[in-house]
Amino acid sequence: GAGVSQSPSNKVTEKGKDVELRCDPISGHTALYWYRQSLGQGLEFLIYFQGNSAPDKSGLPSDRFSAERTGGSVSTLTIQRTQQEDSAVYLCASSLELRGTEAFFGQGTRLTVV
Amino acid sequence: AQKVTQAQTEISVVEKEDVTLDCVYETRDTTYYLFWYKQPPSGELVFLIRRNSFDEQNEISGRYSWNFQKSTSSFNFTITASQVVDSAVYFCALSEDFDNAGKSTFGDGTTLTVKP
Repeated sequence: GAGVSQSPSNKVTEKGKDVELRCDPISGHTALYWYRQSLGQGLEFLIYFQGNSAPDKSGLPSDRFSAERTGGSVSTLTIQRTQQEDSAVYLCASSLELRGTEAFFGQGTRLTVV
Repeated sequence: AQKVTQAQTEISVVEKEDVTLDCVYETRDTTYYLFWYKQPPSGELVFLIRRNSFDEQNEISGRYSWNFQKSTSSFNFTITASQVVDSAVYFCALSEDFDNAGKSTFGDGTTLTVKP
């Protein structure tokens, strides 16, 4: 596609359930990032993938969060046993490479945990 | 640790006014990137500019201009002759990882409202 695509655009889940958020990066982009944006706040880095290298998971807030990237393209962010504080917009971005290149963001998935 | 401060939470101007969005950053590194992003109501962040720490030259792009001053650790963004379409949340970001500019620390954003 022309841009970064994220699905679903909105997700409401019950506390304690697991959720999966999907990101389709721009074709050919080797770097992929996940960010979380809580209401009225800036973006919080979660994880990034670059090619076949081991992902940088340093931003994941807890072991309930995990992400994978299959075939160097689509990525899935999984949140297990969701909590109300997980409610946020989860943004995915991709870029051609890591060093200094422009990152293109998707429109995000708005997650609400009730 | 790196930190980005956008002291202005909200700014409201009338169309055609000039407006400056402030960004102050903290870093111990000598090599870093600075960014500005725009987030319109649709939610999708739009990249505006990237600056590396070696390049203090100010930049102008149409009605947008950026003033990077290492002496004051600031990277301010000015919109000249603002328009209603400029209404958005603007984020300043810093990346200390020169080899991974996408791993950035963001400020909390400044919400700009331009009234007709």
